[in-house]
Amino acid sequence: RKEVEQDPGPFNVPEGATVAFNCTYSNSASQSFFWYRQDCRKEPKLLMSVYSSGNEDGRFTAQLNRASQYISLLIRDSKLSDSATYLCVVRRDFGNEKLTFGTGTRLTIIP
Amino acid sequence: NAGVTQTPKFQVLKTGQSMTLQCAQDMNHEYMSWYRQDPGMGLRLIHYSVGAGITDQGEVPNGYNVSRSTTEDFPLRLLSAAPSQTSVYFCASRPTQRNTEAFFGQGTRLTVV
Repeated sequence: RKEVEQDPGPFNVPEGATVAFNCTYSNSASQSFFWYRQDCRKEPKLLMSVYSSGNEDGRFTAQLNRASQYISLLIRDSKLSDSATYLCVVRRDFGNEKLTFGTGTRLTIIP
Repeated sequence: NAGVTQTPKFQVLKTGQSMTLQCAQDMNHEYMSWYRQDPGMGLRLIHYSVGAGITDQGEVPNGYNVSRSTTEDFPLRLLSAAPSQTSVYFCASRPTQRNTEAFFGQGTRLTVV
């Protein structure tokens, strides 16, 4: 089983719609969680960290469910510019510096 | 404000050749790492370093060497290139504090023929 699993998609969503992605992680020792965005043929860039209480940044909302070991990302009022691949990333702290990446979920916003 | 700089951006190698991918960061980050990205596999950690003089293996280290003689530089060496090493390589750096952003270079697209 992969340490971080995502639905690869693709998700094809009309502009203005709401879309949600889930990600599951297998290691219960994981402590830090992130969503990264990767545009085609570009490097990944941090979209947002995910906090235990959930957090929001504009149209983006991230949630963490430790009991079920999953992370979610909700995008409201989607824009054409949201088209990208979204990477779920997990880090085990307590001396472990490594980030583990999911394979990514590809999103295309349709005009 | 350069961030993380990777060179070259593109490279074609013949099987058996060696080369070094360069990575430099100007943010004084302790932690640097190299990933490869292949279709359907996500980013996989090759080697990482938590500071100058310290390196360790990641998930897929075979065929690669690294060194960290300075905080700024973290080169990745391919010892004897194989077609299985055809991939996109990303270098990343970040501070070691919790919940800090990792900054990536623009990537190197390597083809081994």
